[in-house]
Amino acid sequence: EIVLTQSPGTLSLSPGERATLSCRASQSVNNRYLAWYQQKPGQAPRLLIYGASSRATGIPDRFSGSGSGTDFTLTISRLEPEDFAVYYCQQYGSTPLTFGQGTKVEI
Amino acid sequence: EVQLLESGGGLVQPGGSLRLSCAASGLTFSTYSMSWVRQAPGQGLEWVSTISGSGGGTYYADPAKGRFSISRDNSKSTLYLQMNSLRAEDTAVYYCAKERDSRGYWDSWGQGTLVTVSS
Repeated sequence: EIVLTQSPGTLSLSPGERATLSCRASQSVNNRYLAWYQQKPGQAPRLLIYGASSRATGIPDRFSGSGSGTDFTLTISRLEPEDFAVYYCQQYGSTPLTFGQGTKVEI
Repeated sequence: EVQLLESGGGLVQPGGSLRLSCAASGLTFSTYSMSWVRQAPGQGLEWVSTISGSGGGTYYADPAKGRFSISRDNSKSTLYLQMNSLRAEDTAVYYCAKERDSRGYWDSWGQGTLVTVSS
């Protein structure tokens, strides 16, 4: 099983600042099969990024993903008020499909 | 627009059973693999099970193997999760989710249904 470790646990930033979220895998993720989701309180997750760097439909270009192998990054170039949420990475390169524990981006 | 609507959650005693349903609309249902993903209160996301578009392939996370059964009725555009021998640790919001490209990640999610296992 691939274990995903996200850091930091909490990121305290202000609107307009840049957010950099890390996701580290316990072993290499095949074919860069890594996704990122955003989840707000009381809501379902929302797909942001797949294939490590491809934005999902309707996702603003301030969200970008990068990385390969065991190290992946989600960057939010300039935080908007609606971006304060919990972010999860997920690998789909091998089963079982696994998630990181989440990074909370707070004001 | 894809819509996924879960139902069937509730309070059940340890050892009991529950069947979740997910009604889908706005998509050619049989074309897509579908999954259940759960989230315990205040915790992260956990993949539970996936079924292929035809229903011929089913996959389970270890905690679900032997106790949960995923199925679908493509004529009704509905996904199911039969949960038996429920434990306290199965308490969670259960989300129905549509796989994109049958790759193992999800681009549409339902609003979730809460399952509480408690005496």
